[in-house]
Amino acid sequence: GAGVSQSPSNKVTEKGKDVELRCDPISGHTALYWYRQSLGQGLEFLIYFQGNSAPDKSGLPSDRFSAERTGGSVSTLTIQRTQQEDSAVYLCASSPQAAATDTQYFGPGTRLTVL
Amino acid sequence: SQKIEQNSEALNIQEGKTATLTCNYTNYSPAYLQWYRQDPGRGPVFLLLIRENEKEKRKERLKVTFDTTLKQSLFHITASQPADSATYLCALERSSNTGKLIFGQGTTLQVKP
Repeated sequence: GAGVSQSPSNKVTEKGKDVELRCDPISGHTALYWYRQSLGQGLEFLIYFQGNSAPDKSGLPSDRFSAERTGGSVSTLTIQRTQQEDSAVYLCASSPQAAATDTQYFGPGTRLTVL
Repeated sequence: SQKIEQNSEALNIQEGKTATLTCNYTNYSPAYLQWYRQDPGRGPVFLLLIRENEKEKRKERLKVTFDTTLKQSLFHITASQPADSATYLCALERSSNTGKLIFGQGTTLQVKP
């Protein structure tokens, strides 16, 4: 079946602009995770959803970052007033449940470049 | 704070040899530890999960050990092949049973023919 998809695959924007990144999880997966990967760094947890609710937003770097999920499916990560330090690959993953033993299936990521 | 360390230097080995990658962690006692593979420009792909009460887990040419006393996991690839060349990430559950993971920065493995 189809895996996790993300769009756009690449996004170049100017400092100060807002961007929206989209994630389509595997159908039926209730848990959805957003991570950020900067060059040469490990994945940094941002936020996760169980259904449409986000029990833990503690990883969001600042109040410029927000995310929502609708219909228990598609999720959007929004970054307002982008800064150069926001440049990174943003990865989305989904899993059947929000459980430590459930495999997380990752999308290919969105590479964000802020000029 | 919780911290995971993987050898940031690339590991270069000859085809057919066994590759061993190390993951050390501090300030945490995870119930589970996972290993992922990441190829350039792609998202990570799950390989193995090991529980705290399991000393060793195997899957084909892969073997993972988990030493909760040393706070260390070792990841072995036997009979390595050039196709095994990739970055390997270890990840720990960040908080109880939510699926939130803390990832190490990964170790890049290069298998030369």
